[in-house]
Amino acid sequence: DAKTTQPPSMDCAEGRAANLPCNHSTISGNEYVYWYRQIHSQGPQYIIHGLKNNETNEMASLIITEDRKSSTLILPHATLRDTAVYYCIVRTNTGNQFYFGTGTSLTVIP
Amino acid sequence: DSGVTQTPKHLITATGQRVTLRCSPRSGDLSVYWYQQSLDQGLQFLIQYYNGEERAKGNILERFSAQQFPDLHSELNLSSLELGDSALYFCASSVVGWGATNTGELFFGEGSRLTVL
Repeated sequence: DAKTTQPPSMDCAEGRAANLPCNHSTISGNEYVYWYRQIHSQGPQYIIHGLKNNETNEMASLIITEDRKSSTLILPHATLRDTAVYYCIVRTNTGNQFYFGTGTSLTVIP
Repeated sequence: DSGVTQTPKHLITATGQRVTLRCSPRSGDLSVYWYQQSLDQGLQFLIQYYNGEERAKGNILERFSAQQFPDLHSELNLSSLELGDSALYFCASSVVGWGATNTGELFFGEGSRLTVL
């Protein structure tokens, strides 16, 4: 079952940074945080993941708090194509299972 | 293109019928996952297979079953279909599975849309 809490929806102006929060207060010490997004009804797409340290790739940055109870996905310069549902997931260690919640519906506004 | 292939893309059937959804994972991936996404809902984890063996079950109904074959493709069987089974069914694959400690990201197919009338 999902171990994360996300706001149901957010808006962001085009060209601005989109900051998507996620609470995972019951995360265990060696469980990873993953972010995926789903554009319309397409298959979800991997964005980024992390354990303790902040991570950055070509798509986004992931900021994880020191106590690991929350994280923030940052899209540095949001475009209209970033309009999607963003899922924050805590991956189980024992079987590499991913439990998706209902995610945050991000709308990028022109 | 994620490399995960799902067929059929669309399927319309009647209540009480049985359907089979097929998934071919990315080359080399040993784990296959099935998810159900009803209208405006999040993805519900159904079941996971790793190298032919069932590894985890989520909210999968008894009317549903799945298997992973020696060539690693997987099938999801849905029987005695009800209107509420109408949904997108996604398959995902991963190179790692049981006991993995890192980088087991999932690669999703484009889904099979099932409509039960």
